[in-house]
Amino acid sequence: KAGVTQTPRYLIKTRGQQVTLSCSPISGHRSVSWYQQTPGQGLQFLFEYFSETQRNKGNFPGRFSGRQFSNSRSEMNVSTLELGDSALYLCASTVAAINNEQFFGPGTRLTVL
Amino acid sequence: AQRVTQPEKLLSVFKGAPVELKCNYSYSGSPELFWYVQYSRQRLQLLLRHISRESIKGFTADLNKGETSFHLKKPFAQEEDSAMYYCALSGHVFTGGGNKLTFGTGTQLKVEL
Repeated sequence: KAGVTQTPRYLIKTRGQQVTLSCSPISGHRSVSWYQQTPGQGLQFLFEYFSETQRNKGNFPGRFSGRQFSNSRSEMNVSTLELGDSALYLCASTVAAINNEQFFGPGTRLTVL
Repeated sequence: AQRVTQPEKLLSVFKGAPVELKCNYSYSGSPELFWYVQYSRQRLQLLLRHISRESIKGFTADLNKGETSFHLKKPFAQEEDSAMYYCALSGHVFTGGGNKLTFGTGTQLKVEL
């Protein structure tokens, strides 16, 4: 099976802009989670989608949003970008509803100037 | 609130020496504990989880609920073990855990010849 794919791999934006990141899970996986990774804060959970419904949300401002489509593909959107949003954004998918092994994508490196 | 603590940012050992990567957690319910590993230029991937009680690549980890710890151990370090190791916690489904992972800050293991 193909692994989790994320597009784009690299992105440069300026403050105030918005950005959309995409994640394609492993075929058959219904749960998609997003994480932000920074040197200062490490890996932080953003949100999880399961069967097109957001099930969990981390402690991020409302500028961070996401959605999941019927084919399980997911997108996350960040509006009004701030310098502090510069990070590696990781997507992970899993087949089951709870506490299952998560398979991570390579990440999207977002740089906000 | 759930929290995972990895006290060591960097652990350097000689090849053939024992390895212990420390992980302590804070969670009010019944957690699921995982160790994820990231080798150089590779994706984050699951190493092992406490419910499987397996030994993967010679690594083991035992959940100690009394000490709220889930330390990762290997009796004899190999050069290929050099990587970043993350301890992670997922809450029980009845407390809304889903597939949300709370990660520690990670420990960089360096195995020297």
